[in-house]
Amino acid sequence: NAGVTQTPKFQVLKTGQSMTLQCAQDMNHNSMYWYRQDPGMGLRLIYYSASEGTTDKGEVPNGYNVSRLNKREFSLRLESAAPSQTSVYFCASSPPPEAYGGTQYFGPGTRLTVL
Amino acid sequence: AQSVTQPDIHITVSEGASLELRCNYSYGATPYLFWYVQSPGQGLQLLLKYFSGDTLVQGIKGFEAEFKRSQSSFNLRKPSVHWSDAAEYFCAVAPNAGNNRKLIWGLGTSLAVNP
Repeated sequence: NAGVTQTPKFQVLKTGQSMTLQCAQDMNHNSMYWYRQDPGMGLRLIYYSASEGTTDKGEVPNGYNVSRLNKREFSLRLESAAPSQTSVYFCASSPPPEAYGGTQYFGPGTRLTVL
Repeated sequence: AQSVTQPDIHITVSEGASLELRCNYSYGATPYLFWYVQSPGQGLQLLLKYFSGDTLVQGIKGFEAEFKRSQSSFNLRKPSVHWSDAAEYFCAVAPNAGNNRKLIWGLGTSLAVNP
């Protein structure tokens, strides 16, 4: 099992450019999450998907869109990148809450710089 | 409001010394409790979790944590720290009922280990 994979690992964008961060999991998990991590601010939830076909906003959704393409894949799109979106982005997945109480499994992250 | 507090932003210990990282939570009922570790440039890895039962839980890499309901705490401990333990440590909680099992995160404690 690869677990949670993310592509790309690194990306540099210019202000106004768009890009999509890809995430896939092979653990047959129902729920998937996108976080951003900034120094001193911990992990902040951008969007999550409780199950295939559903998505919901987290704490900091502005400037982002998501797609839950199927059970395995959950992508994060920046339509018009801004320097404030320079961050490390993590994707995570979790099995049904009744089984594992919300335990989340993380990908290795994407380090995004917006110039 | 639900919250997680990690009072120590940064801790430095000597290799071989004992370690305790503090975590306090504010929540109406006993939640599910987690500790994650993030090595430099890496994703987050689950160290241990508490759902119910014995309040002292064992995790990977020789870590343990104790849940104290009266103090709303879930402190992480290790009897003898190794240089490879230098990392960022995050405490998180999740509701123990319902379908919404999003994690609430502390801001993290950065651990440095002196040789």
